[in-house]
Amino acid sequence: GQQVMQIPQYQHVQEGEDFTTYCNSSTTLSNIQWYKQRPGGHPVFLIQLVKSGEVKKQKRLTFQFGEAKKNSSLHITATQTTDVGTYFCAGWDSGYALNFGKGTSLLVTP
Amino acid sequence: DGGITQSPKYLFRKEGQNVTLSCEQNLNHDAMYWYRQDPGQGLRLIYYSQIVNDFQKGDIAEGYSVSREKKESFPLTVTSAQKNPTAFYLCASRGGYGYTFGSGTRLTVV
Repeated sequence: GQQVMQIPQYQHVQEGEDFTTYCNSSTTLSNIQWYKQRPGGHPVFLIQLVKSGEVKKQKRLTFQFGEAKKNSSLHITATQTTDVGTYFCAGWDSGYALNFGKGTSLLVTP
Repeated sequence: DGGITQSPKYLFRKEGQNVTLSCEQNLNHDAMYWYRQDPGQGLRLIYYSQIVNDFQKGDIAEGYSVSREKKESFPLTVTSAQKNPTAFYLCASRGGYGYTFGSGTRLTVV
């Protein structure tokens, strides 16, 4: 079945540094979604990318969908302590449910 | 406010007991899901339901059961056949692009 892999598993940065997490799928994706889970919380939907090569921005967050629609990335510019959490990418598995990557946990120290 | 309510927030189960986790939504969403989250494992799909009175097994359904008698409700029973039930359980629904998650139930076997 479809596998969604994320790297790195953990990332520790100083506040103000940039951060990037990468997501790779074993199969071509119709779309990809990103979620953020704060420590002790539940995942919250951030964005969906649909088109090949698509780039979307949300303030300091930049999301990209690869040309082959098999990979994606999330880049955070000038991290803040509020960015702490685990970031998940997810793709549709057989069209019925999302298949989540294992996530990248981001720790930001002031 | 619309959302998903999961209860209880914390649950302790003795060996050999069945326990039921509640999930209620007032978003009028047709599709609902149960995921299990373990540290470093991401979210794994247990069951999903696309419509009332219909549900399908996910990747790790063994030892779990569900029902979908009402659109608003999708309870999950963790049976004694589930040998390693200690985990964080997340219920979600989908009405548009992304999932809306409940705040989760943390189940511990004692």
